[in-house]
Amino acid sequence: EAGVVQSPRYKIIEKKQPVAFWCNPISGHNTLYWYLQNLGQGPELLIRYENEEAVDDSQLPKDRFSAERLKGVDSTLKIQPAELGDSAVYLCASSLGVGSTTGELFFGEGSRLTVL
Amino acid sequence: AQTVTQSQPEMSVQEAETVTLSCTYDTSENNYYLFWYKQPPSRQMILVIRQEAYKQQNATENRFSVNFQKAAKSFSLKISDSQLGDTAMYFCAFMLRDDKIIFGKGTRLHILP
Repeated sequence: EAGVVQSPRYKIIEKKQPVAFWCNPISGHNTLYWYLQNLGQGPELLIRYENEEAVDDSQLPKDRFSAERLKGVDSTLKIQPAELGDSAVYLCASSLGVGSTTGELFFGEGSRLTVL
Repeated sequence: AQTVTQSQPEMSVQEAETVTLSCTYDTSENNYYLFWYKQPPSRQMILVIRQEAYKQQNATENRFSVNFQKAAKSFSLKISDSQLGDTAMYFCAFMLRDDKIIFGKGTRLHILP
């Protein structure tokens, strides 16, 4: 079974440019998460989806960040315009969702963004 | 508000030794999950071990075991017979039943040959 797939793995852009990250969760997983991970730090939640609905986006900087999960499957996270401080790894994770007996999150390999 | 604290930013142990990573958390909830996740260098994060708060028995997975002290809100990870492949960042995490999950800042573990 395929795991969580993210692309691109690496992206280098200049500040003020836009960037987009894509995530394909594990088939059948209703819950999808986008996390920000700075170097040497733990993941910090940006947004959580239950199917198509964003149920927790309180930590998403909405002035420059946006996300969507069309049809409750794939998701895209966009930054426009990017700032130097956005350099980080953007992690996508999925899980079976509320009511799951395990609660386990499955992570993708992450998208490493460098803003110059 | 729920918080997760890992007080050891970095640890090093010799191969084959036993090491314990500390984690404390704070919540007023009674039903939740606790996890330890492993993130090897440049590789994706994977689940090491999981504990459900209503279970008193400590979870074990091969060389990995936890010491879950619910009253003290403590959830430490013990790695026995450590191997070079155990070198990684380890994150303690706490999840409520509504899927809200909070991670600690991590402990960087080095297993020395």
